[in-house]
Amino acid sequence: GAVVSQHPSRVICKSGTSVKIECRSLDFQATTMFWYRQFPKKSLMLMATSNEGSKATYEQGVEKDKFLINHASLTLSTLTVTSAHPEDSSFYICSARVMGNEQFFGPGTRLTVL
Amino acid sequence: GNSVTQMEGPVTLSEEAFLTINCTYTATGYPSLFWYVQYPGEGLQLLLKATKADDKGSNKGFEATYRKETTSFHLEKGSVQVSDSAVYFCALSVRDDKIIFGKGTRLHILP
Repeated sequence: GAVVSQHPSRVICKSGTSVKIECRSLDFQATTMFWYRQFPKKSLMLMATSNEGSKATYEQGVEKDKFLINHASLTLSTLTVTSAHPEDSSFYICSARVMGNEQFFGPGTRLTVL
Repeated sequence: GNSVTQMEGPVTLSEEAFLTINCTYTATGYPSLFWYVQYPGEGLQLLLKATKADDKGSNKGFEATYRKETTSFHLEKGSVQVSDSAVYFCALSVRDDKIIFGKGTRLHILP
């Protein structure tokens, strides 16, 4: 089956620093990638949708200047949390999709901001 | 708007017990319905889906039937195993757009 990887799986950083999370589709080319955020005991919240070579579409209430998304190729998307603060601590999950088909999810990245 | 409501967990059952996890939805349109499973330390995996009313999705002994009249998509399995322990998410998608997830239900199966 299709595999999506995320790196790193866990990251701890100091408040005010920036953190980059990578999402890769390992064995297929993804026309669209999605970034989700999962709070404890809550559902996955879609943050943004990105298509290769174009700007990401952010969901209402998500700060685009804080959560920078770059979809540089058909197999790689990155999420950069800029000037991270403790309230940004969360579990971030990406997914990748070939147009019209199923979304394949990565294993997630646990971000802890001290 | 579109939303999914599923039963709160955790659900704890003994091996070989019958499982039901309830899921209801609201949607402005004709949604596709999904159940995803997240095993410990892994990403979400599609467990089963149904795209129209009365369709039954099935996989690995799990089943769910798309009930338009009750706007439900309850997950069932006749005899659970310890390896079924995971978090289960009900979800919907309208016109192959973004997926809306429920809050997830953690399932513990005791040997």
